[in-house]
Amino acid sequence: EAGVAQSPRYKIIEKRQSVAFWCNPISGHATLYWYQQILGQGPKLLIQFQNNGVVDDSQLPKDRFSAERLKGVDSTLKIQPAKLEDSAVYLCASSLDTYVWGGGRYNEQFFGPGTRLTVL
Amino acid sequence: AQRVTQPEKLLSVFKGAPVELKCNYSYSGSPELFWYVQYSRQRLQLLLRHISRESIKGFTADLNKGETSFHLKKPFAQEEDSAMYYCALRFRSGSARQLTFGSGTQLTVLP
Repeated sequence: EAGVAQSPRYKIIEKRQSVAFWCNPISGHATLYWYQQILGQGPKLLIQFQNNGVVDDSQLPKDRFSAERLKGVDSTLKIQPAKLEDSAVYLCASSLDTYVWGGGRYNEQFFGPGTRLTVL
Repeated sequence: AQRVTQPEKLLSVFKGAPVELKCNYSYSGSPELFWYVQYSRQRLQLLLRHISRESIKGFTADLNKGETSFHLKKPFAQEEDSAMYYCALRFRSGSARQLTFGSGTQLTVLP
């Protein structure tokens, strides 16, 4: 099966500019994640969607970051305006995880290739 | 708060030597732990999970709740094991379950 797709693969912008990233998850995967990975660190979850609803966005800097998944499939992550510290790889992942309150089984997260953002 | 610590950023071993990548965690609940791997120019992918008690590519990891550790081990390292390895903890956050990752260990297996 096709994997998680992301575009663009690389982006260079100047601070205070805007940028958007796109993610197409694996077909049928209900859950979609956006991670930020700063150089030398592990991925950090920014936002998690279940179908087209937000399940967790507690670590998303909402003053400048926004994300949507309107039809429960593709998703976009936007930064406006960008800061130097936003330079990172932005990873999208998806899983079959259908959350069950009080339970929940783990379904593997499949990661995309990432978008490397450089803010000058 | 939940946290995953990987104390070694870089680890080099010779081919055929044993390798151990360290992972320690802090979490007040019942932990679910995983190892993810990223080979050069490839995507991040799941290597193994503690609940499966499986051996993947010769790697094993045992959850030690007393020491709050989940070290990854392989008795005889191969050059193709060279990669970035991340330990991850799955925890509940509100109504969601999510992963928190350690900072990773870059393993280099020398010929």
